[in-house]
Amino acid sequence: AQSVAQPEDQVNVAEGNPLTVKCTYSVSGNPYLFWYVQYPNRGLQFLLKYITGDNLVKGSYGFEAEFNKSQTSFHLKKPSALVSDSALYFCAVRDTGRRALTFGSGTRLQVQP
Amino acid sequence: DAGVTQSPTHLIKTRGQQVTLRCSPKSGHDTVSWYQQALGQGPQFIFQYYEEEERQRGNFPDRFSGHQFPNYSSELNVNALLLGDSALYLCASSPSTDTQYFGPGTRLTVL
Repeated sequence: AQSVAQPEDQVNVAEGNPLTVKCTYSVSGNPYLFWYVQYPNRGLQFLLKYITGDNLVKGSYGFEAEFNKSQTSFHLKKPSALVSDSALYFCAVRDTGRRALTFGSGTRLQVQP
Repeated sequence: DAGVTQSPTHLIKTRGQQVTLRCSPKSGHDTVSWYQQALGQGPQFIFQYYEEEERQRGNFPDRFSGHQFPNYSSELNVNALLLGDSALYLCASSPSTDTQYFGPGTRLTVL
């Protein structure tokens, strides 16, 4: 079985400061890892993914994520937060033998001006 | 290039009724997946269609069924609606097993 944990329901950060949204995962095979963002009353928007290769993955809107195999983590980061980054962020995992994405429960990011 | 589209945007039904939700995938995508997102939760996988066949199914009862058409568009049908079926239903399309791109969702309210 595959699973994802997002340990923080909410992350608060001041505009201009770096942000981190945490994610840990469990899969039986090699993981495919994803981050999506959801704005109010909207669907999910793809940010970035890790399939293989460099552990640091760069994505849309200045976001990046670091894959750590030994800690089974895939934390989302951004060097300088914007108020417009305030939204709900979901981490998802899929292993090589499955097609379904398994999502975490989401982390609400609040960036204060 | 249009992204994934879903219809309708909102829907209100009563318990016991049946509902059909529709999804048109992104151009060039041949695989459609459906997810249910209850309030305050992450999306949960319902099933995935490829080449007009259900390829994988999540832990949902048989009341949930689907279909994929030759043009890759898809429908999700839910029979005998329960109050607990109230949720945002998300469609995602992808080129085979690659990255899934989501539509805006259909908000279903069951009274």
